[in-house]
Amino acid sequence: DIQMTQSPSSLSASVGGRVTITCRASQSISRYLNWYQHKAGKAPKLLIYAASSLQSGVPSRFSGSGSGTDFTLTISSLQPEDFATYYCQQSYSIPHSFGQGTKLEIK
Amino acid sequence: EVQLVESGGGLVKPGGSLRLSCTASGFTFSSFSMTWVRQAPGTGLEWVSSISSTSNYMYYAESLEGRFTISRDNAKNSLYLQMNSLRAEDTAVYYCARDNRIAVAGNYYYYHMDVWGKGTTVTVSS
Repeated sequence: DIQMTQSPSSLSASVGGRVTITCRASQSISRYLNWYQHKAGKAPKLLIYAASSLQSGVPSRFSGSGSGTDFTLTISSLQPEDFATYYCQQSYSIPHSFGQGTKLEIK
Repeated sequence: EVQLVESGGGLVKPGGSLRLSCTASGFTFSSFSMTWVRQAPGTGLEWVSSISSTSNYMYYAESLEGRFTISRDNAKNSLYLQMNSLRAEDTAVYYCARDNRIAVAGNYYYYHMDVWGKGTTVTVSS
């Protein structure tokens, strides 16, 4: 099975700031990498698929990059609604494993 | 409106069974693979099981050890998860999600879960 490791596990940032979350796969997954946002009590939300494609309706301040084993999610100009937990997920092979999550908190 | 609504969660004793349902609306259910994802208290998202659009293929997390069965009824726009021999560690919020896909080349696709339900809570406790 492919293991997905995110870093950091948590971080604090200010409204208007910029953050980068890293996701590393235990083997090459090409660009089969998705990013989700999850808020407590809500349905998870797809942000980025295929490593860098922005899901329809998602603000352009979200961006993804990477291929192979190393990927990043960047949020520029943080908004209050962006404070949530973020997960990467590989869809290269079954099981489509998730990273452990990165909790983004307000500084 | 594209929507998924889960139901069937509840409190069950260890060793018991439960059947979760997920009802889809607003899209052609029979055209999409579907997936169950769960989140245990204090932990992250865990991929549980997926089923292809025509039920030709079903996949499961190894941790389930054959206790869960995924199925669907395209005539009823419904997805199911039959859970048997439940354990305390199965306690979680269970989400159903639509698997969308973008063709890469040949028979390869980028799969991603683009529509999610709000989840149903399963508690396994005596």
